[in-house]
Amino acid sequence: RKEVEQDPGPFNVPEGATVAFNCTYSNSASQSFFWYRQDCRKEPKLLMSVYSSGNEDGRFTAQLNRASQYISLLIRDSKLSDSATYLCVVNSGGYNKLIFGAGTRLAVHP
Amino acid sequence: SAVISQKPSRDICQRGTSLTIQCQVDSQVTMMFWYRQQPGQSLTLIATANQGSEATYESGFVIDKFPISRPNLTFSTLTVSNMSPEDSSIYLCSVVITGTVTYEQYFGPGTRLTVT
Repeated sequence: RKEVEQDPGPFNVPEGATVAFNCTYSNSASQSFFWYRQDCRKEPKLLMSVYSSGNEDGRFTAQLNRASQYISLLIRDSKLSDSATYLCVVNSGGYNKLIFGAGTRLAVHP
Repeated sequence: SAVISQKPSRDICQRGTSLTIQCQVDSQVTMMFWYRQQPGQSLTLIATANQGSEATYESGFVIDKFPISRPNLTFSTLTVSNMSPEDSSIYLCSVVITGTVTYEQYFGPGTRLTVT
């Protein structure tokens, strides 16, 4: 079993749609969780950290369920510029090492 | 945040040769990492570059194949030795910036390596 598993995608949605990505992790000792965005042929960029209480940044909402070892990212009112691969990232519990999911590709069309 | 640059941005190399990739950060950082991203895959950690000591390698990666230097808190190099086509990948340098409650990891633009 992979340490971090994500929806395989791709997700093809129209502009203005709401889309949700899910992610599960296997290491119950993990303490830090993130969503990264990676555009084609670019480096990953931190989108947002995920906190226990859930957090929101504009159109983006991240939630964490420790009991189920589950993380989600919700994007509201999708824009064409949201088209990218979204990477679920988890630290490996007590060690400064990030484990990356395989990513979910999002394509927003007019 | 941190501004990270890598050299070269891309290279095409012949099998059996070696390539050294440089990573420069605009501020002093304690933690630096080297990742590999093979075509169509996610990122895999190669090693943690420790200042003043040997790098710590992940399972499947060895110092003879991927020697790393970390001479100071703003610079590191990764060498891909005795290259084969399987080493064709994007190699990314990364740093961690920590605050009182935050832990954020930033990536360089990557070095796209093709081995023929």
